[in-house]
Amino acid sequence: GAVVSQHPSWVICKSGTSVKIECRSLDFQATTMFWYRQFPKQSLMLMATSNEGSKATYEQGVEKDKFLINHASLTLSTLTVTSAHPEDSSFYICSASLNRAWNIQYFGAGTRLSVL
Amino acid sequence: DAKTTQPPSMDCAEGRAANLPCNHSTISGNEYVYWYRQIHSQGPQYIIHGLKNNETNEMASLIITEDRKSSTLILPHATLRDTAVYYCIVRVRDNYGQNFVFGPGTRLSVLP
Repeated sequence: GAVVSQHPSWVICKSGTSVKIECRSLDFQATTMFWYRQFPKQSLMLMATSNEGSKATYEQGVEKDKFLINHASLTLSTLTVTSAHPEDSSFYICSASLNRAWNIQYFGAGTRLSVL
Repeated sequence: DAKTTQPPSMDCAEGRAANLPCNHSTISGNEYVYWYRQIHSQGPQYIIHGLKNNETNEMASLIITEDRKSSTLILPHATLRDTAVYYCIVRVRDNYGQNFVFGPGTRLSVLP
């Protein structure tokens, strides 16, 4: 199956700093990638849809100026958490879909962010 | 996308079949049933999907009722590594521009 790589797998940062998370489709091109957030013992919640070459679409309640998304190529999307605060500590997961039939989405391994 | 209902948790003895039910009574004709699982602290993993026929792959079997209002994911010989949260999702297949909506899923515990 297709592989989605996410980096870093975990990061610890101080409050007020910015953190960038990368999501790469390793063996396929993805015009659309998705960013999810998952708090402990909860399900995945969609944050935004990342579209190659255009602005991301954010879900209601997600601050676009705080969670900057860049999808500059067909294999890379980045999520930058700006001015991170302890409440931003969470598990961030990206996914990408093969642009053909079956529409299976493949997920990265996730990034655990801890803001001190 | 249609909503799904799954039991919050299930136990299964190692080596036995694990049967995970999912209710999707409002599914529409063009919506597929997808199953994913999430092992602790990892991203979701695709398992299987189907429309109306039963499906089988190297990981599992998917049984969909004739009226398509419910389905069952079967892990034929559960191992300890199958302990995970299993998500049943229904959505239109061809719209690759839309995300998957995850419910709470079923937490399967495979016991030795």
